[in-house]
Amino acid sequence: NAGVMQNPRHLVRRRGQEARLRCSPMKGHSHVYWYRQLPEEGLKFMVYLQKENIIDESGMPKERFSAEFPKEGPSILRIQQVVRGDSAAYFCASSGDRPWAGDTQYFGPGTRLTVL
Amino acid sequence: QKEVEQDPGPLSVPEGAIVSLNCTYSNSAFQYFMWYRQYSRKGPELLMYTYSSGNKEDGRFTAQVDKSSKYISLFIRDSQPSDSATYLCAMRKAAGNKLTFGGGTRVLVKP
Repeated sequence: NAGVMQNPRHLVRRRGQEARLRCSPMKGHSHVYWYRQLPEEGLKFMVYLQKENIIDESGMPKERFSAEFPKEGPSILRIQQVVRGDSAAYFCASSGDRPWAGDTQYFGPGTRLTVL
Repeated sequence: QKEVEQDPGPLSVPEGAIVSLNCTYSNSAFQYFMWYRQYSRKGPELLMYTYSSGNKEDGRFTAQVDKSSKYISLFIRDSQPSDSATYLCAMRKAAGNKLTFGGGTRVLVKP
């Protein structure tokens, strides 16, 4: 399967614990994006990364949230000290290097985070 | 006011009918327009991608963009029960790769 892969698909955490969400982009893609979908709402952009660089984090909450995309391995979205309001579906997308030539974003299946 | 407005529905149509979906937007900086389909508890699936004003057709799907009116549409011909899903419009500015989504329209095609 050459699509965007995310794991785990479901994650349950208690308030105050840490959540780590992983994303492997499509083969050949080096741009990764994270979006959050709250219940009954549309997708909201969180962060855009290339290998080892954060390009745009304008949608990231200022505290407790961080993201990385190391040279080797998947992109990680990390949420520290989770609260109930963090319960949502988190989607990762990837794209090629040429948005001006039509490269667009392809989404993974998502990680559904439930905070108890 | 949201940057991208989309009627949440639900939109219920009989099988074989044409489904008509639309989004309006307020920021003229949006230059690239997409439609995604999302089945319940799944990831969004790209259906159509357009840049310029006008029509683009792909199989049963037709996307329209009217930049002067800040209005985009998606038409689904010969709708099938398998088309029952939430349809999300998304758009992007020329600079930057961040997608801005509408809230989605839930569509139900009844056999």
